Amino acid sequence: EAAVTQSPRNKVTVTGGNVTLSCRQTNSHNYMYWYRQDTGHGLRLIHYSYGAGNLQIGDVPDGYKATRTTQEDFFLLLELASPSQTSLYFCASRAGGATGQLYFGEGSKLTVL
Amino acid sequence: TQTVSQSDAHVTVFEGDSVELRCNYSYGGSIYLSWYIQHHGHGLQFLLKYYSGNPVVQGVNGFEAEFSKSDSSFHLRKASVHWSDSAVYFCAVSPNTNKVVFGTGTRLQVLP
Repeated sequence: EAAVTQSPRNKVTVTGGNVTLSCRQTNSHNYMYWYRQDTGHGLRLIHYSYGAGNLQIGDVPDGYKATRTTQEDFFLLLELASPSQTSLYFCASRAGGATGQLYFGEGSKLTVL
Repeated sequence: TQTVSQSDAHVTVFEGDSVELRCNYSYGGSIYLSWYIQHHGHGLQFLLKYYSGNPVVQGVNGFEAEFSKSDSSFHLRKASVHWSDSAVYFCAVSPNTNKVVFGTGTRLQVLP
């Protein structure tokens, strides 16, 4: 069974704070994704990557940086957090190819005060 | 711009009823369609997918979905729902091999 682990599971910070959300997958998948989930918006793609050192811009990238340091690890960085970034963040991975299913982590709840 | 539309935010049915959750997309090329389920407090889990071939695809736990190119739809169905099917269901479209775009989700409530 594919495994995607996110940390921290819950984080509270203040406006202007610096936050790093971590994601590790142990499936040797090429692709990794960061989404945010908000009521009324579903899941929106922030950034994604198809390998170490690669970064692709998603649909809602403003205010977020990301880095894929290894095939296993994908980080989401909020350098100046704002209340609008309060959300539930999901990481996912999938193998290459058009039909690979996504495997999701359990989510990271971020609150920006 | 590729979009995924799930027109029903909430659907309520009784246990044993059939249900259809609707998904429409806008994209002109070859795409990969899938459905995911999210139970409260958890990440999404894969249900089923369509890429080519038979337009009716079977998934886990008795779910199936039908692809229609003419309607640009990929509706999810179940003949007889159980209370444990209560969850949020997401339709997803992958217009290429990398990006996966989700709809806004449909919350299914199954009453006893």
